[in-house]
Amino acid sequence: NAGVTQTPKFRVLKTGQSMTLLCAQDMNHEYMYWYRQDPGMGLRLIHYSVGEGTTAKGEVPDGYNVSRLKKQNFLLGLESAAPSQTSVYFCASSRGKMDRDRAVTQYFGPGTRLLVL
Amino acid sequence: ILNVEQSPQSLHVQEGDSTNFTCSFPSSNFYALHWYRWETAKSPEALFVMTLNGDEKKKGRISATLNTKEGYSYLYIKGSQPEDSATYLCASSNAGNNRKLIWGLGTSLAVNP
Repeated sequence: NAGVTQTPKFRVLKTGQSMTLLCAQDMNHEYMYWYRQDPGMGLRLIHYSVGEGTTAKGEVPDGYNVSRLKKQNFLLGLESAAPSQTSVYFCASSRGKMDRDRAVTQYFGPGTRLLVL
Repeated sequence: ILNVEQSPQSLHVQEGDSTNFTCSFPSSNFYALHWYRWETAKSPEALFVMTLNGDEKKKGRISATLNTKEGYSYLYIKGSQPEDSATYLCASSNAGNNRKLIWGLGTSLAVNP
């Protein structure tokens, strides 16, 4: 199993350009998440999905859109990139079924480093 | 406490030393506490998940404890090795939305050979 993969690994954008980050998982997980990680700040949740066809906002959703058309894929879109979106983006996934004694662990992808000029 | 706080921010120890870090989290409506290990240029990897007050987990030389009443968890590393050098993150979730984790900033550990 590849686990969680992210495409691309690195990208440079100009202000105003758009792009889509792809996250794929082969663990049949129900839940998927997009985070950004910036120096001096903890991982911040952008959007997440509790299942195919559903998405929800996290802490910092502005400027981003997401889609979960297939269970294994979670796409993060930047419609008009801004320098403030320069960051490292991590995707994670977790299984759906959960009980009190086995709270869900999130499995992370390798990250996408994005630079917006 | 509204956020997850970790201390110290960074730590330098010698090979063979034992060490520990602290994670403080909101105790009200608590659901779970997670510890992750994050090596430079890699992605975070899960170490432990704990849900019950008094939980203790162990993996090799690393162990963790949980106090949900006062809202803290300790991570212990016995006999630190250079390969233990990493940032150790903790994250908590509450019963209101147990899928969303609140992350601390991490403790950066450097083990000198």
